[in-house]
Amino acid sequence: GAVVSQHPSWVICKSGTSVKIECRSLDFQATTMFWYRQFPKQSLMLMATSNEGSKATYEQGVEKDKFLINHASLTLSTLTVTSAHPEDSSFYICSARSPGHRTTGSYEQYFGPGTRLTVT
Amino acid sequence: AQKVTQAQTEISVVEKEDVTLDCVYETRDTTYYLFWYKQPPSGELVFLIRRNSFDEQNEISGRYSWNFQKSTSSFNFTITASQVVDSAVYFCALREGGSEKLVFGKGTKLTVNP
Repeated sequence: GAVVSQHPSWVICKSGTSVKIECRSLDFQATTMFWYRQFPKQSLMLMATSNEGSKATYEQGVEKDKFLINHASLTLSTLTVTSAHPEDSSFYICSARSPGHRTTGSYEQYFGPGTRLTVT
Repeated sequence: AQKVTQAQTEISVVEKEDVTLDCVYETRDTTYYLFWYKQPPSGELVFLIRRNSFDEQNEISGRYSWNFQKSTSSFNFTITASQVVDSAVYFCALREGGSEKLVFGKGTKLTVNP
């Protein structure tokens, strides 16, 4: 099956600093990737949809200037948490959309293993 | 608007018991996809199944089975003869046909005790 990696798997940073998280599709090209955030004991909430070569589409309530998304290639999307604060501490998960089936057009979302961010 | 409800927040069973996790969804689309994911303590989401709205056949995969009923907008998941390794949070999710967005339920934490 398709593999999506995330780096780093966990990171601790100081309040006020910026942190970059990478999401890579290892064996397929992904024109679209998604970033989710999951607070402890809560569900996954979609933050933004990242499209290769264009600006990301953010969900309502997500600050685009705080969570910078760059999808510079067909296999890499990055999420940068700028000026991080303790309330940004969370589990960030990316997913990548597979190419559509050549006849049905159906596709899958493959999830990365997640990145646990702790801001002190 | 699309919505997924998992009314059971936590379930605790003893090994070898059968357990059913409920999922009720809301959508106005006639074409949609339903999913179940398992999230063990490590955090990684494990894909279990995808069902499209035109396929109401129930599915069985080993100890796992799924009951999709459009009449009640439900897509329930049953684990037969549960094992300790089944302990995890299970999420039901919905994607409408014309959308790329996955909407997740709040999850059900399953604890299987030895």
